[in-house]
Amino acid sequence: AAGVIQSPRHLIKEKRETATLKCYPIPRHDTVYWYQQGPGQDPQFLISFYEKMQSDKGSIPDRFSAQQFSDYHSELNMSSLELGDSALYFCASSFRGLAGDLSGNTIYFGEGSWLTVV
Amino acid sequence: AQKITQTQPGMFVQEKEAVTLDCTYDTSDPSYGLFWYKQPSSGEMIFLIYQGSYDQQNATEGRYSLNFQKARKSANLVISASQLGDSAMYFCAMRAPFGKGTKLTVNP
Repeated sequence: AAGVIQSPRHLIKEKRETATLKCYPIPRHDTVYWYQQGPGQDPQFLISFYEKMQSDKGSIPDRFSAQQFSDYHSELNMSSLELGDSALYFCASSFRGLAGDLSGNTIYFGEGSWLTVV
Repeated sequence: AQKITQTQPGMFVQEKEAVTLDCTYDTSDPSYGLFWYKQPSSGEMIFLIYQGSYDQQNATEGRYSLNFQKARKSANLVISASQLGDSAMYFCAMRAPFGKGTKLTVNP
C-alpha cells in the first residue's frame, strides 16, 4: 500500500540558507501534519492542514511556513536556517473526512527528511 | 491543551517476557484518541495501536495491547512475548503532542 512520501530524504544546508521539504500524503488522505524531531528529542508538532487550510498550529518558528496544495501535497519552507534547525522532519497524513472528527483516524508517518544545517 | 506524560525514560525486559510502558494524558476534549508509535534506531515512526476515548474495549493488535483506564487518564502499552526487534523508542501520543518516549531494550 502507498505510504506517505517525503522528499528529499537527506538535505545539507548552510546557515542562513533556505530549504524546502515536500510531503505527499497517502492517497485520499485530506490532512497533513508536520513534526520536527531534534536529536534525542521527542517529535514536536509544527503545523497541520485539513483540506488545504491550516487547521492547527504548534511550535512552528516564524522563519518557517507551510502550505497544502490542491493535490493535497504539502511543502514546508524554512528560511534563515540556524544550526538548531538540524533535525528529522516528519510529515504525516490522515483521513478526517467531512465530519471533521479529530478523535480517530490513525496518523501515518513518512520516513522523514533529515536536515543538517552546517 | 493536551498533554502526554511518559515517566519511564528507559526500560529493560528479557526476551519472551511481557513489558508495560506507561502513558498518562490530560485533555479537556470529550472525544479523543491515543496512539502508540515505535521508532527504531533507523528513525522511521511506526504506528502500533490506537485507542478511542469512547471505545468499549481495550485495543489489541497482535502482541500489542493497550490498558486503557479512562478515569485515571492512562493508556499503557503492553507488549507480550518481547522480541529482540522490539528494542526501540516508544512514543505515546494524541493528535498533536507526543510524550517524551520510553527507550525499550530487550535482552536476549
